[in-house]
Amino acid sequence: EAQVTQNPRYLITVTGKKLTVTCSQNMNHEYMSWYRQDPGLGLRQIYYSMNVEVTDKGDVPEGYKVSRKEKRNFPLILESPSPNQTSLYFCASSLSGGALRPQHFGDGTRLSIL
Amino acid sequence: GNSVTQMEGPVTLSEEAFLTINCTYTATGYPSLFWYVQYPGEGLQLLLKATKADDKGSNKGFEATYRKETTSFHLEKGSVQVSDSAVYFCALMPYNTDKLIFGTGTRLQVFP
Repeated sequence: EAQVTQNPRYLITVTGKKLTVTCSQNMNHEYMSWYRQDPGLGLRQIYYSMNVEVTDKGDVPEGYKVSRKEKRNFPLILESPSPNQTSLYFCASSLSGGALRPQHFGDGTRLSIL
Repeated sequence: GNSVTQMEGPVTLSEEAFLTINCTYTATGYPSLFWYVQYPGEGLQLLLKATKADDKGSNKGFEATYRKETTSFHLEKGSVQVSDSAVYFCALMPYNTDKLIFGTGTRLQVFP
């Protein structure tokens, strides 16, 4: 089954404790992206990647890192999480960027930073 | 800049009622427009899209027409079902980019 898989689905942690949210897709997609969803703000892009070893900042990259060492994986790293990073996070992928290739979303990761 | 404005929810309807969720946008050039749906506990799924002016996207009984003159992309369905209860996001992708810009989402609740 074609899918985007995120782990963990839920995490409660404390300020300053490094964490990684994994994202993996099995569709051989070139493009991958991370979003955060906050009430009243919709989804905002954190980082995206057009291909292996190519990443770029989205609208809200502060406090996050990503890497794209393999096509299928695009982990999101919070080196020193803070409470304002409490949010619902989504990973998405598409065959290539652009409007003709729909983005497929994972089921989300709910992070709570205390 | 580029932005999307959606009507605030929740929108509460009885089954078989007519649905409209308003969406207007601001963009330079000719963006592509999308509606995504998010069911409880799930990620977003593409519902429909339109890539140029006057295009009509449709899927599962939902429709939206790309109106450049009014910069709108309103979502409509003639007869909603309880299973349509979800959060609906309008989004745009500026021309020649890969970036999706989302509205704030509108929650739809359909009661039997």
